[in-house]
Amino acid sequence: DVKVTQSSRYLVKRTGEKVFLECVQDMDHENMFWYRQDPGLGLRLIYFSYDVKMKEKGDIPEGYSVSREKKERFSLILESASTNQTSMYLCASSKNPGQGIGANVLTFGAGSRLTVL
Amino acid sequence: GNSVTQMEGPVTLSEEAFLTINCTYTATGYPSLFWYVQYPGEGLQLLLKATKADDKGSNKGFEATYRKETTSFHLEKGSVQVSDSAVYFCALSDFGNEKLTFGTGTRLTIIP
Repeated sequence: DVKVTQSSRYLVKRTGEKVFLECVQDMDHENMFWYRQDPGLGLRLIYFSYDVKMKEKGDIPEGYSVSREKKERFSLILESASTNQTSMYLCASSKNPGQGIGANVLTFGAGSRLTVL
Repeated sequence: GNSVTQMEGPVTLSEEAFLTINCTYTATGYPSLFWYVQYPGEGLQLLLKATKADDKGSNKGFEATYRKETTSFHLEKGSVQVSDSAVYFCALSDFGNEKLTFGTGTRLTIIP
């Protein structure tokens, strides 16, 4: 069963801590995404990557950075966590558009719920 | 830019009722349209999609028709079940664009 795995389901961190959220996919997908989900705001794109070492800012990149050293792994980094980054973080992956059935369909992980105190 | 507007929730229905969740969009190109569903404690999963005007996507008894003239992609189901309780997201992607734009989500609760 193909899947996207997020390493931590629940994290509690303190303001100012550095936080790493890890995501691994086993589908050989080119694209990987980090979204943030908040009530009433839906999903907002933080960053996405279309290839190893490549990244592009999404709609809300401030306060976040990402790393993609291997095709299957995409990490989200909060350099100095703040309380307004308390949220559910969703990782997703997809094939490139135009690559046939299933292209451009996102497969999501189960999410990482981060609380910053 | 692209945007998706969907029906405010929460929506509460009795089992076997008819469901409609409205979704309209704004896009500059020729978007593909999607409905994703998020069951409690899980990530989102694709429910159905349509890639061009007048296409109908369907899955698990749910349907949505891509209406270019009204820029809409409303989700319908003839008879809902308790197991359909979830949050539903409408989304779009421009042709050749990897990124999806999501609506704010509609929480659906079905009571027996």
